[in-house]
Amino acid sequence: NAGVTQTPKFQVLKTGQSMTLQCAQDMNHNSMYWYRQDPGMGLRLIYYSASEGTTDKGEVPNGYNVSRLNKREFSLRLESAAPSQTSVYFCASSGLATSSYEQYFGPGTRLTVT
Amino acid sequence: AQKVTQAQTEISVVEKEDVTLDCVYETRDTTYYLFWYKQPPSGELVFLIRRNSFDEQNEISGRYSWNFQKSTSSFNFTITASQVVDSAVYFCARADRGSTLGRLYFGRGTQLTVWP
Repeated sequence: NAGVTQTPKFQVLKTGQSMTLQCAQDMNHNSMYWYRQDPGMGLRLIYYSASEGTTDKGEVPNGYNVSRLNKREFSLRLESAAPSQTSVYFCASSGLATSSYEQYFGPGTRLTVT
Repeated sequence: AQKVTQAQTEISVVEKEDVTLDCVYETRDTTYYLFWYKQPPSGELVFLIRRNSFDEQNEISGRYSWNFQKSTSSFNFTITASQVVDSAVYFCARADRGSTLGRLYFGRGTQLTVWP
């Protein structure tokens, strides 16, 4: 039972390059989330998904797209990376009904855009 | 957005001291949940506790205790007899039962350093 997994762990991109961050959970959770963490800013929600086929914007969605591929997987895409997207990205999942909203987080992806 | 405020950016203590991390929240909802997460230097986020708004009993788990006071909209976290392994960033968060998907609103975190 791996919980929430994320790949890659580290990535360096040049400005303008694209990439997809992968996230998968094996807890049969309905809801999944993408956050970014910047120094002194806490965690800010980028996008979230209640279930397969549904996604919604969070607090800082600009420059990102997401796909809820199935119940297990939720990917985050940067189409044209910018230095302002240098951050640590966390994926999380929540069962809601059974877990009363607590979210379980993956190990994070440290992204640097030069 | 309704806020979660952690006014202490950084706290330093010496091992065995007690330390309290403050959390103040805003909400218009009557039913909500409060959380604390720990982020050690390794970077992962570890869930510590969830509290329901209708249960104001304080909770103790080993050296950790949480004081929830609805009257002051606070959910403070105390570590008794701190240890070096307690060094981490601690986040307080809130979710409203009526909100979409139970999204969490996080405070900016408190960096706790425990010196030997």
